[in-house]
Amino acid sequence: GNSVTQMEGPVTLSEEAFLTINCTYTATGYPSLFWYVQYPGEGLQLLLKATKADDKGSNKGFEATYRKETTSFHLEKGSVQVSDSAVYFCARGDSGGSNYKLTFGKGTLLTVNP
Amino acid sequence: NAGVTQTPKFRILKIGQSMTLQCAQDMNHNYMYWYRQDPGMGLKLIYYSVGAGITDKGEVPNGYNVSRSTTEDFPLRLELAAPSQTSVYFCASRGLAGGREQYFGPGTRLTVT
Repeated sequence: GNSVTQMEGPVTLSEEAFLTINCTYTATGYPSLFWYVQYPGEGLQLLLKATKADDKGSNKGFEATYRKETTSFHLEKGSVQVSDSAVYFCARGDSGGSNYKLTFGKGTLLTVNP
Repeated sequence: NAGVTQTPKFRILKIGQSMTLQCAQDMNHNYMYWYRQDPGMGLKLIYYSVGAGITDKGEVPNGYNVSRSTTEDFPLRLELAAPSQTSVYFCASRGLAGGREQYFGPGTRLTVT
């Protein structure tokens, strides 16, 4: 079936540190891949996406590259800020007849300290 | 545009009570979804709809019902509230075109005691 596995949290970093949050997915076809961010007390917001192999999604200094060979979509940011503290969810679009659904990872809590 | 709106923001129910969580979107999206989010568990799909008059079960439909009489509205009904339904509920929508991303509402925090 479809699944998304992302690294367990929580992740705690100091401001300006480098961030990586790993995400791997099961491969059925060529799903679209997404990173969502959830700030405290809010709903999920789309952070970035990639729709085909080797695509790089980027937004607000975050990047993730669609790696078909390793079925991965790791989230990176070169220098995190306190305001990046949030929960990050990796998601993949389902394929075939269910391609309007998303499968989410469990989320990774990031805390950035000043 | 307001996007996806949900009401109420918070609610406390007693066991056995019923309520309806409201969700509306003004983006003319065909697809709408209800998720629940439990601590450390990510999001689980309760019900979804691919258009007005069409609904289907997700992963965790037991204890819930939905209807989709218009494109804009997708209410979620809890008939006999149970403590296991304490959660944060998110509604989302998606259009036919574009990159298949879903747009989320701000959530409803429900406590059943």
